[in-house]
Amino acid sequence: KAGVTQTPRYLIKTRGQQVTLSCSPISGHRSVSWYQQTPGQGLQFLFEYFSETQRNKGNFPGRFSGRQFSNSRSEMNVSTLELGDSALYLCASSLNTRASGGDEQFFGPGTRLTVL
Amino acid sequence: AQSVTQLGSHVSVSEGALVLLRCNYSSSVPPYLFWYVQYPNQGLQLLLKYTSAATLVKGINGFEAEFKKSETSFHLTKPSAHMSDAAEYFCAVSKDTGRRALTFGSGTRLQVQP
Repeated sequence: KAGVTQTPRYLIKTRGQQVTLSCSPISGHRSVSWYQQTPGQGLQFLFEYFSETQRNKGNFPGRFSGRQFSNSRSEMNVSTLELGDSALYLCASSLNTRASGGDEQFFGPGTRLTVL
Repeated sequence: AQSVTQLGSHVSVSEGALVLLRCNYSSSVPPYLFWYVQYPNQGLQLLLKYTSAATLVKGINGFEAEFKKSETSFHLTKPSAHMSDAAEYFCAVSKDTGRRALTFGSGTRLQVQP
């Protein structure tokens, strides 16, 4: 079974632009979560989607948004990019339909975003 | 609010030596606890998780962790380090409140010396 895939793997943008990142979960997984990883702030939760609904959101500005499609694929969008948005963005998918903090999350390889 | 503290941003051990990576959590309710490993330019891989079934949890690659409520700790150990264990390790916590958001520690980079 294929793992979580994220595209693109690397991205370079300039300040003020917007960017869309894509995540395809493991087949059958309905929950997708997004995390931001930076050297300064570490790993931080962005948001979680389940059945096309945002179920939880981390402490990020409104420039960060996401959505989930009926096939569970998810995208996140960052508008008006800032230098501080440079990070590794990780997507994770979970199988269980019952919402549980104990569910194992399977992570993708991430998208490395560089903002110049 | 829940949080995770990992003591030691860098740990260096010799090949064959005991690996001990420390994690303390702060949570107002019994948490779910996880250890993840990240190799360079890769995502996170789950090593093991605690979900209250047993306090001693065995994971992949010979790693295990013990949940100690009295010490609010969930330290990761491996009896004998291997060169391939060199990576960054993250402890994480989540609550069973219907949400899957993980709160991560700052990570510990493990070096294994030959």
